[in-house]
Amino acid sequence: GAVVSQHPSRVICKSGTSVKIECRSLDFQATTMFWYRQFPKQSLMLMATSNEGSKATYEQGVEKDKFLINHASLTLSTLTVTSAHPEDSSFYICSARGADGSYEYEQYFGPGTRLTVT
Amino acid sequence: GQNIDQPTEMTATEGAIVQINCTYQTSGFNGLFWYQQHAGEAPTFLSYNVLDGLEEKGRFSSFLSRSKGYSYLLLKELQMKDSASYLCAAMDSNYQLIWGAGTKLIIKP
Repeated sequence: GAVVSQHPSRVICKSGTSVKIECRSLDFQATTMFWYRQFPKQSLMLMATSNEGSKATYEQGVEKDKFLINHASLTLSTLTVTSAHPEDSSFYICSARGADGSYEYEQYFGPGTRLTVT
Repeated sequence: GQNIDQPTEMTATEGAIVQINCTYQTSGFNGLFWYQQHAGEAPTFLSYNVLDGLEEKGRFSSFLSRSKGYSYLLLKELQMKDSASYLCAAMDSNYQLIWGAGTKLIIKP
């Protein structure tokens, strides 16, 4: 099956600093990657969709200058939370979707990154 | 608009059967997904239906009726480890997933 990794799994940072989260598809080429945020006891909220080699498409209400997304290759996407504040503390989850075969429609999720901003 | 409805919470007994319903309204339709999410973890894929009917996979089965915009996830022989949230998601014409809020399933001994 398809495997998606995320790094780091947990991060604690100080307010005002930036944090980069990596999402990698390990055994398939991910033409599309998705970034979600999930607050405690709430559902997944899609933040942005990124296609390899092009700019990410952000959902309404998500600041693109604050949440920088780079999908530089078919196996790697990064989310950088710039000038993080305590309200950015959340569980960030990426998912990846391939271009062909059995990976075409299903989104495979990474294990998530728990961000705590102090 | 696009919308997914599923119950917020359900309770069932270990060894029993439970059915989690989901109704959807989307712009176009390219399939219905069910995911399981344990607390503090990312979702894991359970099933994908794009044609009407029942798909069985071990203790879990998923049903789809496209004409009714309706799906259900059926869990048999419930085990304590099945306590989790179950997320219903419909794929729209742009191949984007529209997510439900999830159904928290509580299993009691």
